[in-house]
Amino acid sequence: EAGVTQFPSHSVIEKGQTVTLRCDPISGHDNLYWYRRVMGKEIKFLLHFVKESKQDESGMPNNRFLAERTGGTYSTLKVQPAELEDSGVYFCASSTSTDTQYFGPGTRLTVL
Amino acid sequence: SQQGEEDPQALSIQEGENATMNCSYKTSINNLQWYRQNSGRGLVHLILIRSNEREKHSGRLRVTLDTSKKSSSLLITASRAADTASYFCATDRGGYSTLTFGKGTMLLVSP
Repeated sequence: EAGVTQFPSHSVIEKGQTVTLRCDPISGHDNLYWYRRVMGKEIKFLLHFVKESKQDESGMPNNRFLAERTGGTYSTLKVQPAELEDSGVYFCASSTSTDTQYFGPGTRLTVL
Repeated sequence: SQQGEEDPQALSIQEGENATMNCSYKTSINNLQWYRQNSGRGLVHLILIRSNEREKHSGRLRVTLDTSKKSSSLLITASRAADTASYFCATDRGGYSTLTFGKGTMLLVSP
């Protein structure tokens, strides 16, 4: 069974540009989560989808971040316009229930 | 301190030795999980312990949970160079609550 996949693995953009990250959860997992780790700090929750609905988006830092999960399958996280402080590793995770979350390899975003 | 805070921040040992990492948290929890992250890779789930459990084993891993002290420990026995990674504990509060991570412990196992 394929695990959680994320694309791209790395992205380097300039301040002010737009970047879209993609996450494909494990097939059949209704729950999809986005987390972010800024260098030197802890991994922080961004938002949680149950199927296509946003269950909790309390961790989204501001309105420059937009997450979607059309059709309840893959999800995208768009940052527009990107700022320097958005640099970090963005993780996606999925689960079937409220227990174990399985994480993807992450997307390392560098904003110059 | 943050919910799910690990100590030490860094640990360096020799192959064959045991490694112990601790995690403390502040609020009540439903589950506590340990994850590993190898350099440049994703988070790998190691073990989950529920709030009504006190100890759990998985291979060379042993996890304890003391809810009265709001703390957990992860013991890796007979460590190997391949165990070199960052280790994170993460807590949830049940239902649809999400994971709260600490900053992690960087473990270096030298051959």
